[in-house]
Amino acid sequence: DSGVTQTPKHLITATGQRVTLRCSPRSGDLSVYWYQQSLDQGLQFLIQYYNGEERAKGNILERFSAQQFPDLHSELNLSSLELGDSALYFCASSVVGVGTDTQYFGPGTRLTVL
Amino acid sequence: QKEVEQDPGPLSVPEGAIVSLNCTYSNSAFQYFMWYRQYSRKGPELLMYTYSSGNKEDGRFTAQVDKSSKYISLFIRDSQPSDSATYLCAMSAGNQGGKLIFGQGTELSVKP
Repeated sequence: DSGVTQTPKHLITATGQRVTLRCSPRSGDLSVYWYQQSLDQGLQFLIQYYNGEERAKGNILERFSAQQFPDLHSELNLSSLELGDSALYFCASSVVGVGTDTQYFGPGTRLTVL
Repeated sequence: QKEVEQDPGPLSVPEGAIVSLNCTYSNSAFQYFMWYRQYSRKGPELLMYTYSSGNKEDGRFTAQVDKSSKYISLFIRDSQPSDSATYLCAMSAGNQGGKLIFGQGTELSVKP
């Protein structure tokens, strides 16, 4: 158990809908990361937050947005969902959010868009 | 071309074999190199972390980084069935927060 929690574990929804994925980092970690894992693209970095502020951004679609709240939990919002958004979404956390940090991954949320 | 290339396998070896997993990369700014292990689409867990070129050993695992060739390796000695998993290399430049770029992952199966 990494100490990172993600809810829900599974999510099944329809195209065009909007969903919210939630992540609670390990105790003491200030930085949160979101990754998407699909069979064809592998594990891809989406976005990173540090203590409530955006720190780094990957190839995150405009339909996706995220934020980190004062209690350090984070939410990833996916809207206007398409079939291709079906994937595993992982949250990771680390202490200060720099390259030397160890990132601890949560168990993931499996999103299925029908 | 992807920044990080990794042969997806699958790789099947008998128990006790030495396993060699490799990644190549194109971005010379990468300074931090990691290997993660992932079981059955669960969350990846960190196995090895190396900064810049050199070797690092931890039990049955050895990580090597050759920055001049842009090539990293993970060796597993005396492989066990419990090592069966997907192994992902990951890299960070360090100047973009903690952003990690992952390889595609190599699926390893160790047969008893």
